[in-house]
Amino acid sequence: GAVVSQHPSWVICKSGTSVKIECRSLDFQATTMFWYRQFPKQSLMLMATSNEGSKATYEQGVEKDKFLINHASLTLSTLTVTSAHPEDSSFYICSARGGVIGYGYTFGSGTRLTVV
Amino acid sequence: DAKTTQPPSMDCAEGRAANLPCNHSTISGNEYVYWYRQIHSQGPQYIIHGLKNNETNEMASLIITEDRKSSTLILPHATLRDTAVYYCIVTYSGGGADGLTFGKGTHLIIQP
Repeated sequence: GAVVSQHPSWVICKSGTSVKIECRSLDFQATTMFWYRQFPKQSLMLMATSNEGSKATYEQGVEKDKFLINHASLTLSTLTVTSAHPEDSSFYICSARGGVIGYGYTFGSGTRLTVV
Repeated sequence: DAKTTQPPSMDCAEGRAANLPCNHSTISGNEYVYWYRQIHSQGPQYIIHGLKNNETNEMASLIITEDRKSSTLILPHATLRDTAVYYCIVTYSGGGADGLTFGKGTHLIIQP
């Protein structure tokens, strides 16, 4: 149990375009989901917390107008990178709270975004 | 969440036990120790967690010192597929309302 599916696995987009990343909890309801970003050879950095039915909470330094988060249902959260630039190229990972008690967090497989 | 300290890298021979240490001297009484690992270009994978008793599951064992200021993750028979970055994280059970804070972890390299 406790599976989180993230799609797409990788995406290449042109500078100035927008990209949407989906995160789904497949076998449990996730009232809270989290989005992380990871640059090469660095650790995961929390970007934002997404709560079903309410606005996301962004970490300091993360532009909320650039990284749009929508958590419209208990099983789906989306991250849209708007007007992407090469510096937005990174590995984006979602995580959901829920599933088996004690595990706390289940992570998606990540999305590799390359902006050219 | 309490801060953790881990060695940046470790080597282990295939088939041997891999012992990964973690210091968490500021852990509070109701904080758990969680271990996750991240294989290259994948999302983190849950391994094990514990409060104060030693824990074992199909993947690993977790040994927590009596004063709870440090712990050791043991992979009993390491394989090449265990090569990954291992993160020791201290947080409340279920994580509360906050996401996890990842340190730099330990890059474990299993040698053939």
